Amino acid sequence: QKEVEQDPGPLSVPEGAIVSLNCTYSNSAFQYFMWYRQYSRKGPELLMYTYSSGNKEDGRFTAQVDKSSKYISLFIRDSQPSDSATYLCAMGNTGANNLFFGTGTRLTVIP
Amino acid sequence: EAGVAQSPRYKIIEKRQSVAFWCNPISGHATLYWYQQILGQGPKLLIQFQNNGVVDDSQLPKDRFSAERLKGVDSTLKIQPAKLEDSAVYLCASKDYRIEQFFGPGTRLTVL
Repeated sequence: QKEVEQDPGPLSVPEGAIVSLNCTYSNSAFQYFMWYRQYSRKGPELLMYTYSSGNKEDGRFTAQVDKSSKYISLFIRDSQPSDSATYLCAMGNTGANNLFFGTGTRLTVIP
Repeated sequence: EAGVAQSPRYKIIEKRQSVAFWCNPISGHATLYWYQQILGQGPKLLIQFQNNGVVDDSQLPKDRFSAERLKGVDSTLKIQPAKLEDSAVYLCASKDYRIEQFFGPGTRLTVL
C-alpha cells in the first residue's frame, strides 16, 4: 500500500464549477498536509498547507483535513481556465523534513 | 528573489551512457532535495542535503546514481550508466527553516 493515494483523474470541469480533489494516507505520523500545483513543464508550487484537522481557506481555495479518517481534500470555487494544472497532495512530519507526494490529479477547466 | 535554477532543461541519451544535472538553490537555503518524477506520478525523493551533508539517501539507487553538494550551495546529480527506466523529470528543491520547499523547473531526461 502506498503511503499517499490520489485519484489521478483526469478531471474536466466547466468554468465556474466547484472542484473537489482528494487524497488518502496510511501513515498516522504525518503532521502537515500540503497541496502543490504543477503547470505543464514546470516545477510544483505550494498552494496551501495546514497542520491540523479542519478547514483552511485562502481565496477560492479551501484545504480540508480529517486526521481521524486519514483523508484530505482541496476545494476550488469558481474554477478558472488558469486553474488547469496537476494538483499534488503532499504530507510529511517535522522530524523527517521530507515530503511524500500523491500521484497528482490533472485538472482541466473548460472556458 | 531568484528561484531554484536547474540545467539542462532537457537531455536525451542512450542507455548505458552517463548524464549529470545541475541545481542552484535559492540563496540562503540550507536544505536541498533531488526528486525523481516519472510521467503520471508524484515526485519521489532521491536525496536530501543539509548544507553539504547528506540527511537522507535511502531511496537513491547508489549503484548508478550519485549526488554531491560541495560547499553547501550548488548540487549535481549523476547517473552512470543510465537505464531506460531512468526516463523522468529530475526536480531540485530547496528550503530554509520554514516548511515550504521551492522547486526548480526540472530536467526532463529521456533514455533511448
